[in-house]
Formats: sequence, C-alpha cells, structure tokens
Amino acid sequence: SAVISQKPSRDICQRGTSLTIQCQVDSQVTMMFWYRQQPGQSLTLIATANQGSEATYESGFVIDKFPISRPNLTFSTLTVSNMSPEDSSIYLCSVLTGGPDTQYFGPGTRLTVL
Amino acid sequence: AQTVTQSQPEMSVQEAETVTLSCTYDTSESDYYLFWYKQPPSRQMILVIRQEAYKQQNATENRFSVNFQKAAKSFSLKISDSQLGDAAMYFCAYSGGGADGLTFGKGTHLIIQP
Repeated sequence: SAVISQKPSRDICQRGTSLTIQCQVDSQVTMMFWYRQQPGQSLTLIATANQGSEATYESGFVIDKFPISRPNLTFSTLTVSNMSPEDSSIYLCSVLTGGPDTQYFGPGTRLTVL
Repeated sequence: AQTVTQSQPEMSVQEAETVTLSCTYDTSESDYYLFWYKQPPSRQMILVIRQEAYKQQNATENRFSVNFQKAAKSFSLKISDSQLGDAAMYFCAYSGGGADGLTFGKGTHLIIQP
C-alpha cells in the first residue's frame, strides 16, 4: 500500500478563517477522496478528486465551502472555508491503490474551530 | 442509496477469546466490495480485511475472518485470539467499486479486557 501523509496533523483556528489541508502520496494514484469525521461519529465522504478534472462533491457539501485541488497524481488539497465551530472534525484523505477498489487512508487532520 | 448498519455500539471481550462484530448493508447492486477498517485512538484508519461480493469464499487475514452472507446482506467480522492491540473502533464499509467512495457504518467500539 502507499505511504500517505497529511499536513497539518492538527490545528486550532478562529471562526471565519480558512484552512488548507494537504495530502501527499508516495506513488501516483488516479483517485483521491476526502472524508470528514465529526466528533464521535463515523466518516462521511466529502468529495472525490481526479487529477485534471473538477472534484465531485457529495450531497451536503459544496465547492465554495470545501474547494479541492488536484494538481498532479500524488497531491491534493482540501480547503475548509469561512470556518465555524461546526467544522471541528477530523479530515482524512484516502487513495485508491494497492489492490482493486481498496482505499487506504492518510493519518488525518484534527481541526478545532473556536 | 446504500446504507451500512452496525448495531453494536460497543463490544467487550476477554484477551485471547473470540469476538464477532456485526454489519448489515443495503444495496441493489450485485457487484460491490465490503471492508472492515480499524481506527485506534491515534485516529489512523487501518484496513483490516476486504471482501469482493462476487467471491463466495469468505476472506481471512491471520486472526481476522469474515462471514459474508450475500443473500442476507450480512458481513460480520470475527477476531480470534483477541489481543490488547485489537482495541479500537471498527467500521464496516461498502463500496460500489471504482470511483465510488466508501459508505461507513457508525462503528463498534471494541474493548479488550486483560
């Protein structure tokens, strides 16, 4: 499986500001995904990011709030815009690699919004 | 839309014993993939085991095995010879394959009693 890193690992932010989370993979992958895990909850898919095309967002998530970039086959960013305390969550990226239809996850970014 | 249900919020087992975690799902598809992920307190999502729906044989990975009942839409995880390091949240997940993201259950908190 691929080695996946995320930056930052955690952050505390003020409401109204934005944070960009980076996801880096040590090999080229076609599909990358972004998930949110609210406190004490399960994971929910935010969007799917293909290199060279617009991200595909799930119901309840919009590009203005969660813009995503995918400039190449090893890197993606997720921005959480105009943050509120309800955005406090763990944000995880995953990649499709190492076997058909299997996703492997990065270590996550713990975001706290005050 | 697909749904995944984990009806056991918490399970407890003595070290070295066997425990089974339950998962049911709902889908109208005939081809899909099912997964169990483990999330220890470090919050890293770790793939435990995967099952392709078209395979009748139950997947096994060392002490971990599944009981996949396609007609009943059931996908339980058996952990044999439980170890203290198995303590974690366990999430059952469904994917339609390819660009599909994962749909997760709410998770089961597994406690290992020494």
